[in-house]
Amino acid sequence: EVQLLESGGGLVQPGGSLRLSCAASGFTFTSYAMSWVRQAPGKGLEWVSGISGSGGSTNYAESVKGRFTISRDNAKNTLSLLMNSLTADDTAVYYCAKAMNGYSSNFYYYYIDVWGKGTTVTVS
Amino acid sequence: QSVLTQPPSASGTPGQRVTVSCSGSRSNIGGNTVNWYQQLPGTAPKLLIYRNNQRPSGVPDRFSGSKSGTSASLAISGLQSEDEADYFCAAWDDSMNAYVFGTGTKVTVL
Repeated sequence: EVQLLESGGGLVQPGGSLRLSCAASGFTFTSYAMSWVRQAPGKGLEWVSGISGSGGSTNYAESVKGRFTISRDNAKNTLSLLMNSLTADDTAVYYCAKAMNGYSSNFYYYYIDVWGKGTTVTVS
Repeated sequence: QSVLTQPPSASGTPGQRVTVSCSGSRSNIGGNTVNWYQQLPGTAPKLLIYRNNQRPSGVPDRFSGSKSGTSASLAISGLQSEDEADYFCAAWDDSMNAYVFGTGTKVTVL
């Protein structure tokens, strides 16, 4: 069974830092892109960052670019998100997510097929 | 902040058909495939439809997806009480190099 287990959330002061981790199991970790998605209280979903299976390619939402760093350790089946210069707007539940991507009939496809249960980050 | 637009709410009585729209642009829906997620209260999102109209194993065939140009739709036929949830569309955006979500639609079963 594919499982994603986040950890590292908590209460942090504005301007502070936090590192989230995600332990993956049940699939060949290195073969899949991974993402972090967040959801502020009472709000919608916001994709935060993504990383390729090898770790060689990363992308970030404009709202976190320059402050957050995504990384992965394929030997330990672990995904991480280092968050710096946190503000109240970063308060959210952060989900670790497994992604599928590729090309089909000249269309690029990317979708998140598995989600963790989430870890809560509160900046206050 | 969301680049994909959905109606905030939709509703229907048990057994009815409900549709949820998702409007985007050439850089996202127009050039890439669309996915839909269901989020029940207090839980993580769940993949409902991927690559425009494909259902993951275990998703009832009451749920269907379609795409035309820069818009997409999710249809729920034979609405059931357990379908009451938030629904989000999503697609890769080539201009932003990011996975973008819709604003979300709350479906209520009357």
